[in-house]
Amino acid sequence: SAVISQKPSRDICQRGTSLTIQCQVDSQVTMMFWYRQQPGQSLTLIATANQGSEATYESGFVIDKFPISRPNLTFSTLTVSNMSPEDSSIYLCSVEGDWAPGGKNIQYFGAGTRLSVL
Amino acid sequence: GEDVEQSLFLSVREGDSSVINCTYTDSSSTYLYWYKQEPGAGLQLLTYIFSNMDMKQDQRLTVLLNKKDKHLSLRIADTQTGDSAIYFCAETLFSGGYNKLIFGAGTRLAVHP
Repeated sequence: SAVISQKPSRDICQRGTSLTIQCQVDSQVTMMFWYRQQPGQSLTLIATANQGSEATYESGFVIDKFPISRPNLTFSTLTVSNMSPEDSSIYLCSVEGDWAPGGKNIQYFGAGTRLSVL
Repeated sequence: GEDVEQSLFLSVREGDSSVINCTYTDSSSTYLYWYKQEPGAGLQLLTYIFSNMDMKQDQRLTVLLNKKDKHLSLRIADTQTGDSAIYFCAETLFSGGYNKLIFGAGTRLAVHP
């Protein structure tokens, strides 16, 4: 399967600042997704990033707070803007497995970015 | 709306079988998934099952699907300490032109000697 790399793996940030998280895949993929996992919770989809179009945000998430870029078929960024302690979470990117037969129905995840906001 | 439910905690003795259960609500889900999350790590796809199947076996893992009751289970045979992790069940919701995963809260599996 493809290698999905996220940077940074963890960060500690001050409130009011912004952090940009990168997701790099070593294969071209159509769909990339960004999830949030709050402490002790499950995963919640933030938005879907399709190359060449605007990201699609889920209910409760807005572009001003979580701007997303998808400049090509192997890369995406998620920015957490104007952070507060409530943004402390693990942020994970995932991709659909275009490289495998039937793989478009399967999502593979990066290792995540552990964000703490003070 | 969509909802996936799992028990939160399971404790088993090393060498025994573990069974983690999950219920889901969307009968149109085409695929159902089990992911594993070890401490400090991302999500690892363990296995998945297509909705027209009743069972899938992959080495120590057996997935059973009861579509009528919308019940999914994951059985881990000969459970080892390395299996200690959080296991997430997920269903697929096709919405807006893409497959959206809906996750359960996760079952924390503790394996003791």
